[in-house]
Parts: sequence; structure tokens; C-alpha cells
Amino acid sequence: DAKTTQPPSMDCAEGRAANLPCNHSTISGNEYVYWYRQIHSQGPQYIIHGLKNNETNEMASLIITEDRKSSTLILPHATLRDTAVYYCIVTRTSGSRLTFGEGTQLTVNP
Amino acid sequence: DTGVSQDPRHKITKRGQNVTFRCDPISEHNRLYWYRQTLGQGPEFLTYFQNEAQLEKSRLLSDRFSAERPKGSFSTLEIQRTEQGDSAMYLCASSLGGHATNEKLFFGSGTQLSVL
Repeated sequence: DAKTTQPPSMDCAEGRAANLPCNHSTISGNEYVYWYRQIHSQGPQYIIHGLKNNETNEMASLIITEDRKSSTLILPHATLRDTAVYYCIVTRTSGSRLTFGEGTQLTVNP
Repeated sequence: DTGVSQDPRHKITKRGQNVTFRCDPISEHNRLYWYRQTLGQGPEFLTYFQNEAQLEKSRLLSDRFSAERPKGSFSTLEIQRTEQGDSAMYLCASSLGGHATNEKLFFGSGTQLSVL
């Protein structure tokens, strides 16, 4: 799996969009970008994933650059409950061997 | 959908004792995973099952660790002769399986192990 780089921490004001970046410059053509988040004292929660097209679901949007070397997770209207560690994972096989890095601690402030 | 259930939530044990954790996956999920997480780090893969077959084990899973999923439903993770370095959160996850690139893992809340 390709290595990912994320900022260790970010802050966001409640109600504003939170844009979380991820660099994955060594990504291969058959590797997907997955995002999970982990709220304190809970297990990780799947958010979204994509290959090369932008994706949107009820939780977030995923924007992948044309060269696929980086991506951005967008939470359009952040709430206090979105405070969590967000993990960007690049993998060919999503299940058996997800490699979590240290992620980005997102703090949403009132 | 009752989610992935893990028991106990917390376990405190003395060094050298054996401990066993249980995971009940989402009922129709045929894949089950164990991960370990230490403070400030992301979860690390330990092992996974497809139904009752254990298909992959990490090098992190020493001989003191054993996992089972006897009937393809719940799973147990046993640690023998616990060491202080085993202190961590043990996370279980399950998935429907299917095509690997569309697989979503559903995690439980974990068992926090403290070895004194």
C-alpha cells in the first residue's frame, strides 16, 4: 500500500466546511483512497472511498486530484460531533490489511 | 443492525495471566478482523477470518496470541502469559466481503487491555 501523509492536527469552526488533505504521491493505478475516522473511545468508522473520480455521500465528499497524488476529504458543515481523528488510507484491498497512519486530529470549535 | 459487539470493554490483568476477548460481528458479515491500537497510534492489523478460516496473520501476532472463529460467527482472541507490552485497545471489525476494493469495515468499540 502506498504511504500517506496527513497534517497531525487541524481546527475548524462549527458550521464551516472542514477540508482535510492527504498526500499519496506513490499511489499506484489500482489503489483506492479510503477515509475512516475515529471518535474518542470508539472504533474507526468508514466515511468514503474513491479511485479517481470525485465521490460524495451523506457524510462527506472526496476530491482526488487528476494525477491522484493527493486528495481532500470535505465535511461540508462541520459539527462538534465531527471532532475525531481522520485516517487517509491507500490500498488495493480494503479489507484484510488496512494500514492506518497517525491520521489528522480534527477539532471542531463552537 | 446491532453493530459489532466486543466484550469486555475493559480488562485489567496481571502480567503472566491469560486473557480472552470476544467479538460478535454483524450477523450477515462473513469476514472478521482483529486490530490492535496503542495510544496515539492508528490501529494495526493482526489477523482476519473468512467465515471460520483464518486467512491471514500479521507478524505482530506472536505465538502467545491465538484467534478462533469456530462456527464462522463470533470470534475469540486469546493472549497467553500477558506482558506489559500487550497493553492496548483490541479492535474487532467485520465486513460483508465481496469485491476487495469496495469493502467497508465496521468496527466495534474495542476491548481496552491493561497489563499490570
